Amino acid sequence: GNSVTQMEGPVTLSEEAFLTINCTYTATGYPSLFWYVQYPGEGLQLLLKATKADDKGSNKGFEATYRKETTSFHLEKGSVQVSDSAVYFCAVERGSTLGRLYFGRGTQLTVWP
Amino acid sequence: KAGVTQTPRYLIKTRGQQVTLSCSPISGHRSVSWYQQTPGQGLQFLFEYFSETQRNKGNFPGRFSGRQFSNSRSEMNVSTLELGDSALYLCASSLAGTGLNYEQYFGPGTRLTVT
Repeated sequence: GNSVTQMEGPVTLSEEAFLTINCTYTATGYPSLFWYVQYPGEGLQLLLKATKADDKGSNKGFEATYRKETTSFHLEKGSVQVSDSAVYFCAVERGSTLGRLYFGRGTQLTVWP
Repeated sequence: KAGVTQTPRYLIKTRGQQVTLSCSPISGHRSVSWYQQTPGQGLQFLFEYFSETQRNKGNFPGRFSGRQFSNSRSEMNVSTLELGDSALYLCASSLAGTGLNYEQYFGPGTRLTVT
């Protein structure tokens, strides 16, 4: 089954708006959780990560908190910029499957000035 | 420190041909994973190599194969290309040994077009 369910896009926001992209996962134990970002024509860049319950990953104004009780890892940013326009992927590492990340379908974010 | 590099960046092939893609991981990384990205299927895992051994394989036909060299560089090969193999192929490297510190760093990808 699908290990990662990610909010459907596209998401369109005005500059300085608040961003939330929802992500929930299914996995046993305590998987590591990641958010990656992909800009047009590029590979994926690691945005942030969390490796245990209640950890908060943060980078470039983006934050996500590892919620074990709700199996969620929602991405947030208080004030988006035009340069944040990209596709965002939530990913889960399940310790039983070496070298493999399970990705959500991606959420396209467009920020207008 | 140099990032993950992939060559070539773009490739156009004809149905029935074969292709080899190359990936050089970040220095010191011993794990290399490959993914296929398409608009319809999203990111799909192909396989992972660690210290020249394939440890994990996704659900792809045998036409897709890979290998890793002693310097951790990796190649993937697709034989008898089909139109559906057109995709962005992404390589990622990691320090991952036993499963800890599992962040993967991705290269820019190879865009393969099959005509």
